[in-house]
Amino acid sequence: QKEVEQDPGPLSVPEGAIVSLNCTYSNSAFQYFMWYRQYSRKGPELLMYTYSSGNKEDGRFTAQVDKSSKYISLFIRDSQPSDSATYLCAMRKVKAAGNKLTFGGGTRVLVKP
Amino acid sequence: EAGVVQSPRYKIIEKKQPVAFWCNPISGHNTLYWYLQNLGQGPELLIRYENEEAVDDSQLPKDRFSAERLKGVDSTLKIQPAELGDSAVYLCASSLGLGEADTQYFGPGTRLTVL
Repeated sequence: QKEVEQDPGPLSVPEGAIVSLNCTYSNSAFQYFMWYRQYSRKGPELLMYTYSSGNKEDGRFTAQVDKSSKYISLFIRDSQPSDSATYLCAMRKVKAAGNKLTFGGGTRVLVKP
Repeated sequence: EAGVVQSPRYKIIEKKQPVAFWCNPISGHNTLYWYLQNLGQGPELLIRYENEEAVDDSQLPKDRFSAERLKGVDSTLKIQPAELGDSAVYLCASSLGLGEADTQYFGPGTRLTVL
């Protein structure tokens, strides 16, 4: 079983809809949670960075972390065709335990005009 | 500010041939990472450098893979000899290496095809 699980999709939504993405994890030592966006043939680009449980909002993006359930989410409001990409969740432990990121497999999102 | 630079972007080789990838991190970033990304999967760490020292190479297949980061800036990842299963995207990332909120920035990757 992988440490971080993510539905591969594809997730297809109409333009303007809310995109809901999530990951589950098994290691309670993870403290820092990230969402990366990866366009085809490009490297991952950091979207959101959160520490421990709670919500964080940045423009159209909202990240949620529920450590008690070992579940993180990313919501994209007013989705645009340019949001079509693969979204990767990533997480890591405290720095003293090493700076290794553990990624989910990614969810492919398609926003249709 | 320039991002992480990688070259070549694409490489096609025959099995058993050697291949090398180059990475130039963001200026001032002390920590450099090499990741492997298979199709439809997330990146997996191969090796992490703090300046010129490899501090985590536990996932690097040392029988055929090697890496170096001379002078603590640019880095090279080498495979010799390449196998069919090495076909993947090789990503380089860098970070400042300071504090708990240390953030990794990725390059565009090198897509390797082994025939």
